[in-house]
Amino acid sequence: EPEVTQTPSHQVTQMGQEVILRCVPISNHLYFYWYRQILGQKVEFLVSFYNNEISEKSEIFDDQFSVERPDGSNFTLKIRSTKLEDSAMYFCASTKEGTSGAQQFFGPGTRLTVL
Amino acid sequence: DAKTTQPTSMDCAEGRAANLPCNHSTISGNEYVYWYRQIHSQGPQYIIHGLKNNETNEMASLIITEDRKSSTLILPHATLRDTAVYYCIVRVGNQFYFGTGTSLTVIP
Repeated sequence: EPEVTQTPSHQVTQMGQEVILRCVPISNHLYFYWYRQILGQKVEFLVSFYNNEISEKSEIFDDQFSVERPDGSNFTLKIRSTKLEDSAMYFCASTKEGTSGAQQFFGPGTRLTVL
Repeated sequence: DAKTTQPTSMDCAEGRAANLPCNHSTISGNEYVYWYRQIHSQGPQYIIHGLKNNETNEMASLIITEDRKSSTLILPHATLRDTAVYYCIVRVGNQFYFGTGTSLTVIP
Protein backbone atom coordinates (compact mmCIF):
# COMPACT_ATOMS: atom_id res chain seq x y z
CA GLU A 1 0.00 0.00 0.00
CA PRO A 2 1.45 3.41 -0.93
CA GLU A 3 2.36 5.67 1.96
CA VAL A 4 3.69 9.10 2.77
CA THR A 5 7.25 9.07 4.06
CA GLN A 6 9.11 11.71 6.04
CA THR A 7 12.75 12.31 6.86
CA PRO A 8 14.38 12.62 9.26
CA SER A 9 12.35 10.92 11.95
CA HIS A 10 14.01 13.13 14.56
CA GLN A 11 15.83 16.41 14.07
CA VAL A 12 17.69 18.23 16.80
CA THR A 13 18.81 21.79 16.15
CA GLN A 14 20.03 24.87 17.94
CA MET A 15 17.80 27.89 18.30
CA GLY A 16 18.26 30.27 15.38
CA GLN A 17 19.32 27.56 12.95
CA GLU A 18 17.49 26.71 9.76
CA VAL A 19 15.92 23.28 9.33
CA ILE A 20 14.38 21.55 6.36
CA LEU A 21 11.89 18.78 6.92
CA ARG A 22 11.34 16.46 4.00
CA CYS A 23 8.32 14.54 2.83
CA VAL A 24 7.67 12.22 -0.07
CA PRO A 25 3.92 12.23 -0.76
CA ILE A 26 2.13 9.36 -2.47
CA SER A 27 3.20 9.42 -6.08
CA ASN A 28 -0.08 10.25 -7.84
CA HIS A 29 -1.24 12.76 -5.25
CA LEU A 30 -1.51 16.41 -6.14
CA TYR A 31 -2.34 18.19 -2.88
CA PHE A 32 0.13 18.43 -0.03
CA TYR A 33 -0.12 19.59 3.55
CA TRP A 34 1.93 20.25 6.64
CA TYR A 35 0.59 19.98 10.18
CA ARG A 36 2.32 20.26 13.51
CA GLN A 37 1.59 18.86 16.96
CA ILE A 38 3.23 20.35 20.01
CA LEU A 39 3.69 17.71 22.69
CA GLY A 40 0.43 17.03 24.48
CA GLN A 41 -1.57 19.35 22.23
CA LYS A 42 -3.80 18.90 19.22
CA VAL A 43 -2.75 18.58 15.61
CA GLU A 44 -2.70 22.00 13.93
CA PHE A 45 -2.90 22.82 10.24
CA LEU A 46 0.01 24.82 8.85
CA VAL A 47 -0.29 24.98 5.08
CA SER A 48 -1.72 23.36 1.97
CA PHE A 49 0.03 23.32 -1.39
CA TYR A 50 -1.20 22.62 -4.90
CA ASN A 51 0.18 23.26 -8.37
CA ASN A 52 3.38 24.74 -6.93
CA GLU A 53 1.53 27.30 -4.88
CA ILE A 54 0.31 27.69 -1.35
CA SER A 55 -3.47 27.35 -1.43
CA GLU A 56 -4.18 27.93 2.27
CA LYS A 57 -2.14 28.71 5.34
CA SER A 58 -2.87 29.19 9.00
CA GLU A 59 -1.80 31.99 11.32
CA ILE A 60 0.99 29.77 12.57
CA PHE A 61 2.57 29.72 9.12
CA ASP A 62 4.37 33.04 9.33
CA ASP A 63 7.36 34.41 7.43
CA GLN A 64 9.81 32.03 9.05
CA PHE A 65 8.12 29.10 7.33
CA SER A 66 8.25 28.20 3.67
CA VAL A 67 7.30 25.20 1.58
CA GLU A 68 8.65 23.93 -1.67
CA ARG A 69 8.33 21.08 -4.10
CA PRO A 70 11.87 21.09 -5.45
CA ASP A 71 11.39 18.09 -7.73
CA GLY A 72 8.71 15.65 -8.74
CA SER A 73 8.73 13.69 -5.52
CA ASN A 74 9.77 15.76 -2.51
CA PHE A 75 7.77 18.31 -0.55
CA THR A 76 9.72 20.30 2.02
CA LEU A 77 9.01 22.55 4.98
CA LYS A 78 11.73 25.04 5.86
CA ILE A 79 11.93 26.89 9.13
CA ARG A 80 14.41 29.72 8.70
CA SER A 81 15.34 30.65 12.23
CA THR A 82 14.07 28.10 14.68
CA LYS A 83 12.68 29.06 18.06
CA LEU A 84 12.23 26.95 21.15
CA GLU A 85 8.48 26.94 20.58
CA ASP A 86 8.95 25.31 17.17
CA SER A 87 9.71 22.06 18.97
CA ALA A 88 6.93 19.71 17.84
CA MET A 89 6.00 16.78 15.67
CA TYR A 90 5.55 17.84 12.07
CA PHE A 91 3.29 15.76 9.88
CA CYS A 92 3.10 15.83 6.11
CA ALA A 93 -0.06 14.69 4.35
CA SER A 94 -1.23 14.31 0.78
CA THR A 95 -4.44 13.77 -1.14
CA LYS A 96 -5.14 12.75 -4.69
CA GLU A 97 -7.87 15.32 -5.15
CA GLY A 98 -8.81 18.62 -3.61
CA THR A 99 -12.44 17.79 -3.04
CA SER A 100 -13.82 17.75 0.48
CA GLY A 101 -14.43 14.02 0.24
CA ALA A 102 -10.79 13.19 -0.43
CA GLN A 103 -8.98 11.28 2.30
CA GLN A 104 -5.73 12.77 3.59
CA PHE A 105 -2.88 10.31 4.02
CA PHE A 106 -0.48 11.27 6.80
CA GLY A 107 3.19 10.48 7.13
CA PRO A 108 4.81 9.18 10.34
CA GLY A 109 6.07 12.61 11.30
CA THR A 110 9.36 14.32 12.10
CA ARG A 111 10.07 15.17 15.71
CA LEU A 112 11.81 18.56 15.80
CA THR A 113 13.66 19.47 18.97
CA VAL A 114 15.00 23.00 19.24
CA LEU A 115 17.60 23.52 21.98
CA ASP B 1 -10.89 26.50 15.91
CA ALA B 2 -12.10 22.95 16.09
CA LYS B 3 -15.52 22.43 14.60
CA THR B 4 -16.21 19.32 16.67
CA THR B 5 -16.78 18.35 20.30
CA GLN B 6 -15.85 14.97 21.70
CA PRO B 7 -15.62 13.46 25.17
CA THR B 8 -12.12 13.62 26.54
CA SER B 9 -11.80 9.95 27.34
CA MET B 10 -13.63 6.63 27.24
CA ASP B 11 -13.01 3.05 28.27
CA CYS B 12 -14.18 -0.05 26.47
CA ALA B 13 -13.89 -3.73 27.34
CA GLU B 14 -11.93 -5.84 24.90
CA GLY B 15 -14.22 -7.57 22.43
CA ARG B 16 -17.08 -5.17 22.99
CA ALA B 17 -18.23 -2.45 20.65
CA ALA B 18 -16.73 0.99 21.21
CA ASN B 19 -19.12 3.84 20.42
CA LEU B 20 -17.41 7.21 20.14
CA PRO B 21 -19.72 10.23 19.85
CA CYS B 22 -19.01 13.55 18.19
CA ASN B 23 -20.95 16.78 17.94
CA HIS B 24 -20.52 18.99 14.88
CA SER B 25 -23.52 21.28 15.14
CA THR B 26 -22.10 23.98 12.84
CA ILE B 27 -21.31 21.66 9.96
CA SER B 28 -22.26 22.92 6.52
CA GLY B 29 -24.10 20.95 3.88
CA ASN B 30 -21.06 20.00 1.82
CA GLU B 31 -18.59 19.35 4.65
CA TYR B 32 -17.55 15.79 5.30
CA VAL B 33 -17.00 14.24 8.70
CA TYR B 34 -13.74 12.32 9.00
CA TRP B 35 -12.47 10.05 11.72
CA TYR B 36 -8.78 9.49 12.30
CA ARG B 37 -6.90 7.97 15.17
CA GLN B 38 -3.44 8.55 16.57
CA ILE B 39 -1.45 6.02 18.52
CA HIS B 40 1.16 7.74 20.71
CA SER B 41 2.77 10.40 18.49
CA GLN B 42 2.46 8.47 15.24
CA GLY B 43 0.89 10.03 12.19
CA PRO B 44 -2.91 10.19 12.21
CA GLN B 45 -4.42 7.08 10.67
CA TYR B 46 -7.53 7.30 8.55
CA ILE B 47 -10.54 5.32 9.73
CA ILE B 48 -13.63 6.40 7.83
CA HIS B 49 -15.48 9.42 6.50
CA GLY B 50 -18.99 10.33 5.39
CA LEU B 51 -21.26 13.11 4.27
CA LYS B 52 -24.88 12.16 4.93
CA ASN B 53 -25.28 8.40 4.75
CA ASN B 54 -24.00 5.88 7.24
CA GLU B 55 -20.77 4.28 6.17
CA THR B 56 -19.03 1.01 6.96
CA ASN B 57 -15.60 -0.32 6.12
CA GLU B 58 -13.33 -3.04 7.43
CA MET B 59 -12.31 -0.93 10.42
CA ALA B 60 -15.47 0.75 11.61
CA SER B 61 -18.95 2.08 11.03
CA LEU B 62 -19.97 5.72 10.95
CA ILE B 63 -23.47 6.72 11.93
CA ILE B 64 -24.45 10.29 11.02
CA THR B 65 -27.68 11.77 12.34
CA GLU B 66 -30.24 12.97 9.86
CA ASP B 67 -29.62 16.63 10.75
CA ARG B 68 -25.86 15.95 10.45
CA LYS B 69 -25.17 17.71 13.72
CA SER B 70 -23.62 14.67 15.32
CA SER B 71 -22.11 11.31 14.48
CA THR B 72 -20.91 8.15 16.16
CA LEU B 73 -17.92 6.03 15.27
CA ILE B 74 -18.42 2.36 16.07
CA LEU B 75 -15.55 -0.08 16.44
CA PRO B 76 -17.53 -3.34 16.46
CA HIS B 77 -15.10 -5.53 18.39
CA ALA B 78 -12.48 -3.45 20.16
CA THR B 79 -9.02 -4.92 20.66
CA LEU B 80 -6.13 -3.71 22.79
CA ARG B 81 -4.53 -2.32 19.64
CA ASP B 82 -7.46 0.06 19.26
CA THR B 83 -6.26 2.03 22.27
CA ALA B 84 -5.58 5.46 20.78
CA VAL B 85 -6.80 9.04 20.53
CA TYR B 86 -9.73 9.25 18.11
CA TYR B 87 -10.34 12.47 16.24
CA CYS B 88 -13.62 13.52 14.71
CA ILE B 89 -12.78 16.09 12.06
CA VAL B 90 -14.75 18.39 9.84
CA ARG B 91 -12.93 19.34 6.71
CA VAL B 92 -13.28 22.98 5.76
CA GLY B 93 -11.72 23.75 2.41
CA ASN B 94 -8.28 22.18 2.47
CA GLN B 95 -7.97 22.26 6.24
CA PHE B 96 -8.60 19.47 8.67
CA TYR B 97 -9.65 20.95 12.00
CA PHE B 98 -8.46 18.56 14.67
CA GLY B 99 -10.02 18.89 18.09
CA THR B 100 -8.56 17.38 21.22
CA GLY B 101 -10.08 13.99 20.41
CA THR B 102 -11.26 11.12 22.60
CA SER B 103 -8.66 9.00 24.31
CA LEU B 104 -10.03 5.47 24.06
CA THR B 105 -8.61 2.85 26.38
CA VAL B 106 -9.49 -0.77 25.63
CA ILE B 107 -9.41 -2.77 28.82
CA PRO B 108 -8.53 -6.49 28.83
